Amino acid sequence: QQQVKQSPQSLIVQKGGISIINCAYENTAFDYFPWYQQFPGKGPALLIAIRPDVSEKKEGRFTISFNKSAKQFSLHIMDSQPGDSATYFCAPQAGTALIFGKGTTLSVSS
Amino acid sequence: DAGVIQSPRHEVTEMGQEVTLRCKPISGHNSLFWYRQTMMRGLELLIYFNNNVPIDDSGMPEDRFSAKMPNASFSTLKIQPSEPRDSAVYFCASTRRGSGPIYFGEGSWLTVV
Repeated sequence: QQQVKQSPQSLIVQKGGISIINCAYENTAFDYFPWYQQFPGKGPALLIAIRPDVSEKKEGRFTISFNKSAKQFSLHIMDSQPGDSATYFCAPQAGTALIFGKGTTLSVSS
Repeated sequence: DAGVIQSPRHEVTEMGQEVTLRCKPISGHNSLFWYRQTMMRGLELLIYFNNNVPIDDSGMPEDRFSAKMPNASFSTLKIQPSEPRDSAVYFCASTRRGSGPIYFGEGSWLTVV
């Protein structure tokens, strides 16, 4: 059973553009909705996360939008930069049980 | 503060040999995870521990894989005997209990030839 569906699988964006990655989940018990960023040769690292009591959270150029009724949340990267080129994972979580999406490889061209 | 520390960073071994990967979680973290990452299957949870007790090992591929956490500051993942299909990056991660960020190590890159 696929509990987390992340899209798109890959994304190419021009420098300065907006990158949008989506995550759909099934388990209504999830209560923490993070995005992780992974650079080649490194482990995933928390980028930004949201709790279900708010619909949006912004940190610099990164924004999470959360739609509880649709069971979806998305990552928006404004003014995308070549340094944002990485793989991004959603990983909705309930306690210490979390499910990683398949990942989205983002390439920002200069 | 030191992050999650894994060793070795890189390991090349011959098929049939025993491989032991090591992990030191962040001090004060109660939960520890072992993940495997490959291009084909992405990030797979192998096993996780809460307070040194294995809670879910349903992701462990087969009996060749075993994991232990003898104390709060150390865990091992052992593959015996190793096979070429075990070649992957193995990540250890830790967190405090409850929903919150988990912190990954830099990974152990395993190649079995």
